[in-house]
Amino acid sequence: AQRVTQPEKLLSVFKGAPVELKCNYSYSGSPELFWYVQYSRQRLQLLLRHISRESIKGFTADLNKGETSFHLKKPFAQEEDSAMYYCALKKGGSEKLVFGKGMKLTVNP
Amino acid sequence: DVKVTQSSRYLVKRTGEKVFLECVQDMDHENMFWYRQDPGLGLRLIYFSYDVKMKEKGDIPEGYSVSREKKERFSLILESASTNQTSMYLCASRPGWPQNTEAFFGQGTRLTVV
Repeated sequence: AQRVTQPEKLLSVFKGAPVELKCNYSYSGSPELFWYVQYSRQRLQLLLRHISRESIKGFTADLNKGETSFHLKKPFAQEEDSAMYYCALKKGGSEKLVFGKGMKLTVNP
Repeated sequence: DVKVTQSSRYLVKRTGEKVFLECVQDMDHENMFWYRQDPGLGLRLIYFSYDVKMKEKGDIPEGYSVSREKKERFSLILESASTNQTSMYLCASRPGWPQNTEAFFGQGTRLTVV
């Protein structure tokens, strides 16, 4: 079964500090991996997907198939990054999209 | 702009009632999903549908059923509401092709069962 693990529920940092939000997955094939973000009182929305290999709002995420990880990183956190972050996985051959438990990031001034 | 619209923002129902949560999307997406969102538990998939009249169980289908009679509409049904179904319910839609496409979410329905 496909599974997504976000081992930490909370992360609190000061503005300008680096952040890394961890995501590990269990799936033996070629996954589609995503990071979604939910700002306060807003809808859940896509932040980035592994296939794009792009930086969105300063965030990047690299797929490491050997470690089955897809950690989200940002070198200098901003206050507006405070939100809930969810890692998501879709396996090939199925439309099932599953999410991790989420992590709350708080960036303090 | 893709729009996923859930019919209610807030609902209060009594234990034992049959509850319908409605979701409509306007982008002709093949796939639609129902999740519940609980603090500390994240998003858990209840059911999803990949085509009209087609459905698959997610990870927590017990106590729920779904209906997809038209492509744009996906309904979640609580056959007999219970207090442990008090939660935020999120609907999402996603194209069937190409791969790695984004899922679009509704604003959520906060259901309280008393």
